[in-house]
Amino acid sequence: QVLLVQSGAEVKKPGASVKVSCKASGYTFFDYHIHWVRQAPGQGLEWMGWVNPRTGDTKYTRSFQGRVTLTWDTSSTTAHMEVHTLQSDDTAVFYCARENPSVGASPNLDFWGQGTLVTVSS
Amino acid sequence: DIQMTQSPSSLSASIGDRVTLTCRASQYIGIYLNWYQQKPGRAPNLLIYGTYNLQGGVPSRFRGSGSETDFTLTISSLQPEDFATYYCQQSYSPPHTFGQGTKLEIK
Repeated sequence: QVLLVQSGAEVKKPGASVKVSCKASGYTFFDYHIHWVRQAPGQGLEWMGWVNPRTGDTKYTRSFQGRVTLTWDTSSTTAHMEVHTLQSDDTAVFYCARENPSVGASPNLDFWGQGTLVTVSS
Repeated sequence: DIQMTQSPSSLSASIGDRVTLTCRASQYIGIYLNWYQQKPGRAPNLLIYGTYNLQGGVPSRFRGSGSETDFTLTISSLQPEDFATYYCQQSYSPPHTFGQGTKLEIK
């Protein structure tokens, strides 16, 4: 079955970086984009960007452009999201999710990781 | 960027009620609209994609409709497990923005 398993919770100081991983299994890793979504405590879902493991293409939302890097490791079928220059308002749960292209309907996020809590505190 | 606006922000209802949640896009998105359900402490779960296609395993009491800029999610007879927060998302063009959510609570 399709599984996305994320790395564990992190505590970081302001100004530091954090890298969250998302291990995919149960499907052909190259065939599906991986998206990342942020959810601050008590808040809604915020789309961050996606990576295409086959082509290397990435897309970021404007607010994260230049501060977030999405990468992947083919050999381990793992996607990574790195946030640089963390601020206290980056404290959030970060999710990875697989995009199902659903041709003829609409691309959608059909499988999600369990989420990784990143706490930014001095 | 396309803005997604959901209403209401919260809704109280009883078991067995029929409820309708709405989602409006700031510009045309065709039928590129998805709905997710999220329960506290859990990852979101895909309910409906492409406006009206039910994801596998989702009960038939969930129904999506709409097109262009205005969309609805209807739950025909609320069950205890339906009390959660619901998000719409457009996937017409990046960034694939979410609405702010509708929290469905037990009356």
